[in-house]
Amino acid sequence: DTGVSQNPRHKITKRGQNVTFRCDPISEHNRLYWYRQTLGQGPEFLTYFQNEAQLEKSRLLSDRFSAERPKGSFSTLEIQRTEQGDSAMYLCASSSVGEFSPLHFGNGTRLTVT
Amino acid sequence: QKEVEQDPGPLSVPEGAIVSLNCTYSNSAFQYFMWYRQYSRKGPELLMYTYSSGNKEDGRFTAQVDKSSKYISLFIRDSQPSDSATYLCAMMGSGYALNFGKGTSLLVTP
Repeated sequence: DTGVSQNPRHKITKRGQNVTFRCDPISEHNRLYWYRQTLGQGPEFLTYFQNEAQLEKSRLLSDRFSAERPKGSFSTLEIQRTEQGDSAMYLCASSSVGEFSPLHFGNGTRLTVT
Repeated sequence: QKEVEQDPGPLSVPEGAIVSLNCTYSNSAFQYFMWYRQYSRKGPELLMYTYSSGNKEDGRFTAQVDKSSKYISLFIRDSQPSDSATYLCAMMGSGYALNFGKGTSLLVTP
């Protein structure tokens, strides 16, 4: 168990470009989450997968954001036509099945849009 | 008003002190309560989680939940400089989204 892995750790992009982040959850976890955290704030929920099915999406997830988990293992989060307001830490978390299982977070991808 | 309120601090204490961190919330549907520790430029690390009201102890850490007052606390005994970090409370109801506080920045000075 190597924990939740996220790549890249840092991404600098110009406004208007597309970016994609990858998350590899803990291997036995079938639930996967994406959160966004800005400076001085707690993480905000973006979306949730159970296996390959995307079951919940936040209103924060605009049309420019899309997430996939094609085989129920790793996940990608793509942001199209990036804006400066997209600059944030993007965190991935995973958890196992059950009525409640605590979330385990990766170290995030820090996005800077110039 | 946010559903989860947490004083951002910063909170500075001397080594060995007892630290008290708190959050209040407004959504009575929350039933799972968590505390995460976050070091600079790292992801949140789960410290403790509790279900409904009551206390839970793990080493130097004690978590308390008072659902009647919508108030949760984390106590750190014999604080160490390595405890210096941001502490985030988080809560969940029947859905899948964790609702976080802003986090409290803690500095433990030697």
